[in-house]
Amino acid sequence: GDSVTQMEGPVTLSEEAFLTINCTYTATGYPSLFWYVQYPGEGLQLLLKATKADDKGSNKGFEATYRKETTSFHLEKGSVQVSDSAVYFCALSEEDSSNTGKLIFGQGTTLQVKP
Amino acid sequence: ETGVTQSPTHLIKTRGQQVTLRCSSQSGHNTVSWYQQALGQGPQFIFQYYREEENGRGNFPPRFSGLQFPNYSSELNVNALELDDSALYLCASSLTSGGDEQFFGPGTRLTVL
Repeated sequence: GDSVTQMEGPVTLSEEAFLTINCTYTATGYPSLFWYVQYPGEGLQLLLKATKADDKGSNKGFEATYRKETTSFHLEKGSVQVSDSAVYFCALSEEDSSNTGKLIFGQGTTLQVKP
Repeated sequence: ETGVTQSPTHLIKTRGQQVTLRCSSQSGHNTVSWYQQALGQGPQFIFQYYREEENGRGNFPPRFSGLQFPNYSSELNVNALELDDSALYLCASSLTSGGDEQFFGPGTRLTVL
């Protein structure tokens, strides 16, 4: 079945550093790809998405490009802030027979940004 | 516009008991999906309800069951609780099924002792 693999954390950075969180996927079809963020004690918030190859999703300074040739969707931000500290999940929307659009998540990467 | 809400926030049960978790979908959304997030893991799909019918199920045993009501709110029921059922249970609603953006609630933290 479809799957998502993220780089293991935790990732610890100083404020204003460059962030990359790697994400690769395995899928039989052409899924949409997502990055979700989870702040302590909260549910998931959609950070950005891309629905087809070469699409770039962006939001709040974060970017990710849907790379079909490398089956990747790496998350990047040029200058992180302490408020970006959270757990980041890469996910794909699986194409299934029931047309649920169910999400398959990676295991999550914890980002800690120090002042 | 009210977002997705879930109740209760936290719950403690003992092995063998039964539990019901509740979710109110975002206004205008007819689809609710439930996910289980074990500690330190990504969420896993339990099932989805679309217009009051189950519309797909993940790899969870039949003791996980659900309902969706005419107002599209939903319940997740778990019978014969096991220790491994301890997790954060997330509800997500979407405009319709099939790949639309899913909006998540804050979750219910279930602890089974």
